[in-house]
Amino acid sequence: DSGVTQTPKHLITATGQRVTLRCSPRSGDLSVYWYQQSLDQGLQFLIQYYNGEERAKGNILERFSAQQFPDLHSELNLSSLELGDSALYFCASSVEIMGTGELFFGEGSRLTVL
Amino acid sequence: AQTVTQSQPEMSVQEAETVTLSCTYDTSESNYYLFWYKQPPSRQMILVIRQEAYKQQNATENRFSVNFQKAAKSFSLKISDSQLGDTAMYFCAFMKQRSYNTDKLIFGTGTRLQVFP
Repeated sequence: DSGVTQTPKHLITATGQRVTLRCSPRSGDLSVYWYQQSLDQGLQFLIQYYNGEERAKGNILERFSAQQFPDLHSELNLSSLELGDSALYFCASSVEIMGTGELFFGEGSRLTVL
Repeated sequence: AQTVTQSQPEMSVQEAETVTLSCTYDTSESNYYLFWYKQPPSRQMILVIRQEAYKQQNATENRFSVNFQKAAKSFSLKISDSQLGDTAMYFCAFMKQRSYNTDKLIFGTGTRLQVFP
């Protein structure tokens, strides 16, 4: 158990819909990362937050948005869903600030768009 | 921009044998971390081993060890005494280290390892 909690674990929805994925980082971790893993591919970095502020952005679509709340949990919002958005979405957290460089991953949220 | 390349999409090894997975990376940074993550069929991302670029000594974790060649920008993973439970996708990853904090992980495309009895 990494200490990172993601909900829901599985989600099936239709094209055009909107979903929200939630992530609770490890206790004490201020940084949250979101990654997308499409079928049998590597993890693509989407976005990073640190203590409520956006820190870095990767190849995140404009239809996607995220935020980190004062209690440090984070949400990834995916809207106008397309078939190609079907993927495993991982959240990871880290200590940062002279940390070990290690990211701790949640179990992922599997999104299926029909 | 940093890139991570894993040139072996699939590999197989017999139980109890040794296998080496290759990884190369490209960066102009001098301070960074390198990682190998394992993703079994459960899809959970599990850290296997970690190497700080400033350390010349290769990291070792039980049956897992790395061959870190900084000048060549190479970071291979050796799995000794392979076990059936080692069957998984293995990802090499790079993270730049900034002054007081770290950066995002950049992943390679992965190597699928199958361990046969």
